[in-house]
Amino acid sequence: QKEVEQNSGPLSVPEGAIASLNCTYSDRGSQSFFWYRQYSGKSPELIMSIYSNGDKEDGRFTAQLNKASQYVSLLIRDSQPSDSATYLCAVTLQPTTGNQFYFGTGTSLTVIP
Amino acid sequence: EPEVTQTPSHQVTQMGQEVILRCVPISNHLYFYWYRQILGQKVEFLVSFYNNEISEKSEIFDDQFSVERPDGSNFTLKIRSTKLEDSAMYFCASSGPSGAPYEQYFGPGTRLTVT
Repeated sequence: QKEVEQNSGPLSVPEGAIASLNCTYSDRGSQSFFWYRQYSGKSPELIMSIYSNGDKEDGRFTAQLNKASQYVSLLIRDSQPSDSATYLCAVTLQPTTGNQFYFGTGTSLTVIP
Repeated sequence: EPEVTQTPSHQVTQMGQEVILRCVPISNHLYFYWYRQILGQKVEFLVSFYNNEISEKSEIFDDQFSVERPDGSNFTLKIRSTKLEDSAMYFCASSGPSGAPYEQYFGPGTRLTVT
């Protein structure tokens, strides 16, 4: 069973703070990692992908991957009320296109103005 | 910016009826997917499709389900005889090979309600 675990939250942070979202995965063979944002009633929207150990930054978002610990995280700097959403972690087992994503249940984030 | 589109946005059907959910993937993408999300639960993979055949499918994707690429733009999911438990949001996604080929982009979804 390929498990992707996330703390369901809710996680509340004040506006301007750093939000830290965490994800662990069970299959050591997992190769590719993705963070999606999902607003209530909407579809997942890709935020970032990360494939190798270390940090990857894109604007206010930083993804961190540690394959030895089977851990991937997302940091959101200068959090805004518009960041309030559910954040989904997804992993794939194969480093090729066309493979299924395994999703976590998501962490609900609320940014308080 | 190119995006995946899906129709209809909401489908209501009676148990036992057939439904077809439609998707138009991003035009230069070659890999297509269907996922579903039951209310309050996680997004679950159903099937992936490449070069006019199924690449991978989950245990959810049983004989009641089928997929088709009937023309150069559409990608469809058919549920032959719907059950109450098929009520969910169904998302189509597409990916690669251009750009970042592993990244999957989701459509807005079709909410299927089986009564």
